[in-house]
Amino acid sequence: NAGVTQTPKFQVLKTGQSMTLQCAQDMNHNSMYWYRQDPGMGLRLIYYSASEGTTDKGEVPNGYNVSRLNKREFSLRLESAAPSQTSVYFCASNRGPNTEAFFGQGTRLTVV
Amino acid sequence: DAKTTQPPSMDCAEGRAANLPCNHSTISGNEYVYWYRQIHSQGPQYIIHGLKNNETNEMASLIITEDRKSSTLILPHATLRDTAVYYCIVRFPNTGNQFYFGTGTSLTVIP
Repeated sequence: NAGVTQTPKFQVLKTGQSMTLQCAQDMNHNSMYWYRQDPGMGLRLIYYSASEGTTDKGEVPNGYNVSRLNKREFSLRLESAAPSQTSVYFCASNRGPNTEAFFGQGTRLTVV
Repeated sequence: DAKTTQPPSMDCAEGRAANLPCNHSTISGNEYVYWYRQIHSQGPQYIIHGLKNNETNEMASLIITEDRKSSTLILPHATLRDTAVYYCIVRFPNTGNQFYFGTGTSLTVIP
């Protein structure tokens, strides 16, 4: 019963470094999402993938890229990390329209 | 502009019902209302969702007004473990399948 798995759980980057956050789901869900959550705030949508082979921008896409590698996996890439990208990142998935989403446990990223 | 409006915080005595309101006055069409909660910055947890009729499951009840412009999440017997931030989410037309979160209501259950 893994659900949505995110790796890594914690990461510290230096400004300008790049990295990829990984997300995988084992529920055969069609749609996947990446959110960020800054301290004391709600989640903001970065990018989403409504189905395999498609990706679209959310509320705050600048500075990020995504890849829907296959139906199971949806990765988020920071090409040149900035301190403003210090946040907790959550991946989520759901089966389709009007169905509940399941979330991973988050990746805590610090950019120094 | 906010898609949903929730009070920033609420308290509830342990064992009593917690009633969390949400305004979604611009809701239209066949958009569902979803409720999630987040405990200690863990990943959000699904609670319940509904369209027009009231819904109940093992965790909570959802009451949606007839005009669908507001809803109330009811935790019938709040426990200390229900202390969390509760998010009311409505997906609006032409926004695809995304969930847009607001800032939610921080519920504190008091012993």
